[in-house]
Amino acid sequence: GENVEQHPSTLSVQEGDSAVIKCTYSDSASNYFPWYKQELGKGPQLIIDIRSNVGEKKDQRIAVTLNKTAKHFSLHITETQPEDSAVYFCAAILFNDMRFGAGTRLTVKP
Amino acid sequence: NAGVTQTPKFQVLKTGQSMTLQCAQDMNHNSMYWYRQDPGMGLRLIYYSASEGTTDKGEVPNGYNVSRLNKREFSLRLESAAPSQTSVYFCASSEVTANEQFFGPGTRLTVL
Repeated sequence: GENVEQHPSTLSVQEGDSAVIKCTYSDSASNYFPWYKQELGKGPQLIIDIRSNVGEKKDQRIAVTLNKTAKHFSLHITETQPEDSAVYFCAAILFNDMRFGAGTRLTVKP
Repeated sequence: NAGVTQTPKFQVLKTGQSMTLQCAQDMNHNSMYWYRQDPGMGLRLIYYSASEGTTDKGEVPNGYNVSRLNKREFSLRLESAAPSQTSVYFCASSEVTANEQFFGPGTRLTVL
């Protein structure tokens, strides 16, 4: 089955800086790559996703890039704000096989 | 719209006891999922239901059973709880598989 590795496990940045979280996956057939944000005590919430036929997708301060050859994808957050502080999860999905990364705890210092 | 709701929010069980976690969604989604979340391990899929009337095993199904009662409801049952099942359980739904999933608020389960 699919295996997803996520780095770093913790990330601390100053407000206004950029943050990058990277994930690698093992199954080259995976075709859907969502990113979820989880705030304390809540369920994860989708922030952006990308499919395998697209190399990059952007939504305001958030972008995701996908390198199918290298089997890795990354989340980029620009102009970070304190409310971006949360745990972020990547996932790789092939039909009904869904695997999540272990998560990255992002702290944005004011 | 309430989205995805889960009951109960918290539960403490003794080893060997049984219980059912309830999940309902009001978005008319076809697919529903049960995950467990443990520290440092992200979310792991226990069971899913791609559509009403079907259920399939995920990554960690041992010790659990599920029932897709109707299109709205998907329950998770622990027949004989074990301390290794101490975790936070999330239910999710999506319009179809490999699409955005909407998660419930979670159930924190402790097995003593």
